Amino acid sequence: KQEVTQIPAALSVPEGENLVLNCSFTDSAIYNLQWFRQDPGKGLTSLLLIQSSQREQTSGRLNASLDKSSGRSTLYIAASQPGDSATYLCAVNAGKSTFGDGTTLTVKP
Amino acid sequence: DAGVIQSPRHEVTEMGQEVTLRCKPISGHNSLFWYRQTMMRGLELLIYFNNNVPIDDSGMPEDRFSAKMPNASFSTLKIQPSEPRDSAVYFCASSLEFGGGGGSYEQYFGPGTRLTVT
Repeated sequence: KQEVTQIPAALSVPEGENLVLNCSFTDSAIYNLQWFRQDPGKGLTSLLLIQSSQREQTSGRLNASLDKSSGRSTLYIAASQPGDSATYLCAVNAGKSTFGDGTTLTVKP
Repeated sequence: DAGVIQSPRHEVTEMGQEVTLRCKPISGHNSLFWYRQTMMRGLELLIYFNNNVPIDDSGMPEDRFSAKMPNASFSTLKIQPSEPRDSAVYFCASSLEFGGGGGSYEQYFGPGTRLTVT
């Protein structure tokens, strides 16, 4: 059974700092991995999708990497802003999606 | 595009009542997913459809839950009878295609239905 772990569970940083969120998974036989953002009381917004054959994807200040063999993905956020405050979830897709519990990020002005 | 549409956004009902949640996927998407999110269990996949056909319903908690997709633009998740432990946020998501062989695409989520069973 696929298990997805996100560390840390919560993170607080000052505005402008670069940061890394981690996602690990136990079964490397995946199709892709997707990072989402969830604001309180809202749905999930897709940030980046990395196919199993890819190593990384970039969108603006976000960069996601994937190391399938070691079962790890990271989401790098550059020059963090208060508007980045949210919960970030990773989902591992392998016939069905398994989500981590998320990292709640707070960026202080 | 309007995105994934879910209704109602909030539902409060009494134990034992039937609850029906509705979802309209993004036009052109042929995969649809129902998820449940709680503080205790996080986000769980309940069931997903490809081309209106249920592919994996192993996440459906018990026989009180049922889901249908009568056409490409509409799906329902029904709970009958409802129980307090069903209280959660239920999300519907859709994608172009879901599966292996490089045919997996991004999932787009609706705003969710917050269900409270008293």
